[in-house]
Amino acid sequence: DTEVTQTPKHLVMGMTNKKSLKCEQHMGHRAMYWYKQKAKKPPELMFVYSYEKLSINESVPSRFSPECPNSSLLNLHLHALQPEDSALYLCASSRRDRAYEQYFGPGTRLTVT
Amino acid sequence: GQQLNQSPQSMFIQEGEDVSMNCTSSSIFNTWLWYKQDPGEGPVLLIALYKAGELTSNGRLTAQFGITRKDSFLNISASIPSDVGIYFCAGREQAGTALIFGKGTTLSVSS
Repeated sequence: DTEVTQTPKHLVMGMTNKKSLKCEQHMGHRAMYWYKQKAKKPPELMFVYSYEKLSINESVPSRFSPECPNSSLLNLHLHALQPEDSALYLCASSRRDRAYEQYFGPGTRLTVT
Repeated sequence: GQQLNQSPQSMFIQEGEDVSMNCTSSSIFNTWLWYKQDPGEGPVLLIALYKAGELTSNGRLTAQFGITRKDSFLNISASIPSDVGIYFCAGREQAGTALIFGKGTTLSVSS
């Protein structure tokens, strides 16, 4: 099983809403990542979790709050977002010893109105 | 920060043609990867390279880790319509921690 799943596929939210994005993998990977991708641009790293601990936060605004409940799950909690936060949010995972072979999920298309 | 120069930015080819694209960096990289992204989907890992000079194939795709460790190449032979998409190179610097992505090559294939 080499699949990373993400839910929901699409999300529309207002600037005052609170929502969460979910990611799951069952490959036994111990590193998980959140990326943000704008149209026709490369993915931009947001957060890295290693062994369920946050190891990298790329200066992401506090309106994005990651959570790693266990080694298979990764959440991204969203609150008070801005329209410019509209993007494709990608989750990825990798083996701890081959951290650069990252496997991506299909993404959540987020629109902030 | 470090940026990767990926070229060409876009390509328009006929079905059956071979395709070449490349990625260069200003510093030495320890890892090079190539991803393909279809519209509305996440990037799919095509090939990972870990040693200078390494040449690796995945079906009709062949990628090479440049011997200077500052570049990588991806070739697609006998292109087909389903090869359409955006191809991203990505790599890790010698002393880096995060994966750095190129800006992508958009491939269009006409049948």
